[in-house]
Amino acid sequence: SQQGEEDPQALSIQEGENATMNCSYKTSINNLQWYRQNSGRGLVHLILIRSNEREKHSGRLRVTLDTSKKSSSLLITASRAADTASYFCATDDTGGFKTIFGAGTRLFVKA
Amino acid sequence: SQTIHQWPATLVQPVGSPLSLECTVEGTSNPNLYWYRQAAGRGLQLLFYSVGIGQISSEVPQNLSASRPQDRQFILSSKKLLLSDSGFYLCAWSVGVEYEKLFFGSGTQLSVL
Repeated sequence: SQQGEEDPQALSIQEGENATMNCSYKTSINNLQWYRQNSGRGLVHLILIRSNEREKHSGRLRVTLDTSKKSSSLLITASRAADTASYFCATDDTGGFKTIFGAGTRLFVKA
Repeated sequence: SQTIHQWPATLVQPVGSPLSLECTVEGTSNPNLYWYRQAAGRGLQLLFYSVGIGQISSEVPQNLSASRPQDRQFILSSKKLLLSDSGFYLCAWSVGVEYEKLFFGSGTQLSVL
């Protein structure tokens, strides 16, 4: 089954800097999502971008999707210590109800 | 508003013992329900999903099973736990036109010793 692969696996930045995480996937998709997980907690949905969209914004988050390259990026601007978490991309099983997650990027924002 | 309850939060079980994890959703009808497992520091593995009462799709052959006895109740079970069943188990739901968007419970940390 298709699966997103995030890059980098881990990222450490200073507060106020921007954080960029990338996701690549293997087969056609209807949509791609990004989720956030604080340590030991459930995942929280951040943003969904459909295959006919190229860019989407939500607050300090910016997501891009390039279906020709089968890749997506998540940009967090002006990062804060509270942004420290793992971030996962997830892709759908076209026409089905399955959502498949990548291994995630662990972001650490130093105050 | 919709809420999801998952319990227990932590569970320590001996190898060979049975397992029952329960998840319930409130405030919505006919949700799609999911069980995922997460190994430490890893991504999520889809175990089971259900689009209706009594309808269970299994993604990974293993000694786990799932049941949906009521519309908003999803149960993960095992008759005999293995060491490899240890992990963080997450229940999730979705519904309606935004069925791709998942809402997760707080998870159960299962340690099989």
